[in-house]
Amino acid sequence: KNEVEQSPQNLTAQEGEFITINCSYSVGISALHWLQQHPGGGIVSLFMLSSGKKKHGRLIATINIQEKHSSLHITASHPRDSAVYICAVLYSGGGADGLTFGKGTHLIIQP
Amino acid sequence: ETGVTQSPTHLIKTRGQQVTLRCSSQSGHNTVSWYQQALGQGPQFIFQYYREEENGRGNFPPRFSGLQFPNYSSELNVNALELDDSALYLCASSLPGILYGYTFGSGTRLTVV
Repeated sequence: KNEVEQSPQNLTAQEGEFITINCSYSVGISALHWLQQHPGGGIVSLFMLSSGKKKHGRLIATINIQEKHSSLHITASHPRDSAVYICAVLYSGGGADGLTFGKGTHLIIQP
Repeated sequence: ETGVTQSPTHLIKTRGQQVTLRCSSQSGHNTVSWYQQALGQGPQFIFQYYREEENGRGNFPPRFSGLQFPNYSSELNVNALELDDSALYLCASSLPGILYGYTFGSGTRLTVV
């Protein structure tokens, strides 16, 4: 099964900066998820995408199906955005195969 | 609407022992999937249950088994624990199909010594 690649692995930025996290995959997918994981482990679902773009507050997620690439953007970043951001995909026809996860991007926003 | 609840939150077991982890799915969700997350890694799919039947499985040995109950809650059982089984075990519930998102629990951190 193909892997999900995320970049960067680690990102440290100053409060207020515009953040971009990238995710790429190699075969067709049914859906792509962006998730947030805080220390202690709990995972929060941010977006589920199959095409186009979604926005929620300061978070924007885009996906380019032809290029097999997705980005998560954070505008006006804040220290409370510090977390691990994980991209996960559901492969086409793989509804019962579960999500395939990237290794995550560890984001630190400094005040 | 309740979220996904996992128990226990932390657990220490000895190599060779057996462990049972529990998950209560979000109200209305009839599909539960389990994931293993080793330190510093992304979660890995263990298996998925839909209407009390296993309907998908990742690359995990048979000593990883599960159950789903009529109320859609679920158990993950691991026999003959090995040191490498030490990880965060995450449960996620959803509706079936690709159109629906997942609700994750906070996980059970298992340490095998």
